[in-house]
Amino acid sequence: AQTIHQWPVAEIKAVGSPLSLGCTIKGKSSPNLYWYWQATGGTLQQLFYSITVGQVESVVQLNLSASRPKDDQFILSTEKLLLSHSGFYLCAWSAPSAETLYFGSGTRLTVL
Amino acid sequence: GDSVTQTEGQVALSEEDFLTIHCNYSASGYPALFWYVQYPGEGPQFLFRASRDKEKGSSRGFEATYNKEATSFHLQKASVQESDSAVYYCALSDPQGGRALIFGTGTTVSVSP
Repeated sequence: AQTIHQWPVAEIKAVGSPLSLGCTIKGKSSPNLYWYWQATGGTLQQLFYSITVGQVESVVQLNLSASRPKDDQFILSTEKLLLSHSGFYLCAWSAPSAETLYFGSGTRLTVL
Repeated sequence: GDSVTQTEGQVALSEEDFLTIHCNYSASGYPALFWYVQYPGEGPQFLFRASRDKEKGSSRGFEATYNKEATSFHLQKASVQESDSAVYYCALSDPQGGRALIFGTGTTVSVSP
């Protein structure tokens, strides 16, 4: 069975500080990977997706970047956090050429 | 661009009530349509999907039928339980965003005993 693990579970960071969030998928080779962002009480906004190792496509510019250093790993980062970065970050995977997304348990980010 | 509209922002019910959440979409062709459920502090969980006109998706007592003419995919459950309290999202597949999903604004369902 496939499992998806996100880390950390929660972060409290200062404005202007760096950030790195991670996601690992086990039990599925060459998955499509996605980052979504959810404001408190809001809908899910796609940020990035990756079809293969080393390739990441940006969907929305939010002063964030993403990388896929390994087949099973997806990283979200920024060098300088903004207050507007607060929210719930969700990693998701899908099988290649499939459309159903499966989400991790998310990372709650609070920027002060 | 493609979009999903959920009419109800919040729905309050009692146990054993009938639930309907309206979902309409705007897209060309035949996008796959989905329902997800999200509990507090968790990621969304896939409920079910449908890909063709008149196809019915179902899971855990919830169901929805793909209606191409009405561009709708309304979620229904005949008899809700307190454990069904959650946020429900309708979504459609996006052929542009790496086959990602475009989500509606969500409907918060609160079921009282």
